Amino acid sequence: GAGVSQSPSNKVTEKGKDVELRCDPISGHTALYWYRQSLGQGLEFLIYFQGNSAPDKSGLPSDRFSAERTGGSVSTLTIQRTQQEDSAVYLCASSFGTGGSYGYTFGSGTRLTVV
Amino acid sequence: SQQGEEDPQALSIQEGENATMNCSYKTSINNLQWYRQNSGRGLVHLILIRSNEREKHSGRLRVTLDTSKKSSSLLITASRAADTASYFCATAALSGGSYIPTFGRGTSLIVHP
Repeated sequence: GAGVSQSPSNKVTEKGKDVELRCDPISGHTALYWYRQSLGQGLEFLIYFQGNSAPDKSGLPSDRFSAERTGGSVSTLTIQRTQQEDSAVYLCASSFGTGGSYGYTFGSGTRLTVV
Repeated sequence: SQQGEEDPQALSIQEGENATMNCSYKTSINNLQWYRQNSGRGLVHLILIRSNEREKHSGRLRVTLDTSKKSSSLLITASRAADTASYFCATAALSGGSYIPTFGRGTSLIVHP
């Protein structure tokens, strides 16, 4: 597609439920990143996929968080047993190659609210 | 800890004035980028400056990079109310063989009409 697409745009869930957030990157972009942004804060790196390589999961805050990328394209971020502190905007970005030489294109994010 | 840190955290100016934001980083980089964010949603890429460049222009934007001081500045000239947004710098730092873009907490710019 023309841009990075994220769905849903908003999600309200009850504490303890599982949620899945989807990211559809720009076609041909080999690198895909997930970030989390709490209100008024910067972007917290979560996970990075590059081509067929094993993902860099070093930013995932706990084992309740997981992500996969199927066929080198669409990615799903799953949060199990959601907690109130998981409430944030989850942003996905993709880029052509690595190193940022071509910039990163962001989706509009998913605003997750855990009640 | 954050790789890039923007300064100031908040900036309030009148339309027509210039706005300057600074970014400091810690490790060697191959490029530095500035992004804009409206209403806490997706970030929009503004400008990229490579480590071997010292200054770059794009419209009303001017970016400088001083690798010896590990700092960059973003200047918005003749600001407009529509420039009101948060601005972030991003550096691609090598981490475990991968380049992970890291962002600071941003500068919140308010331009009063």
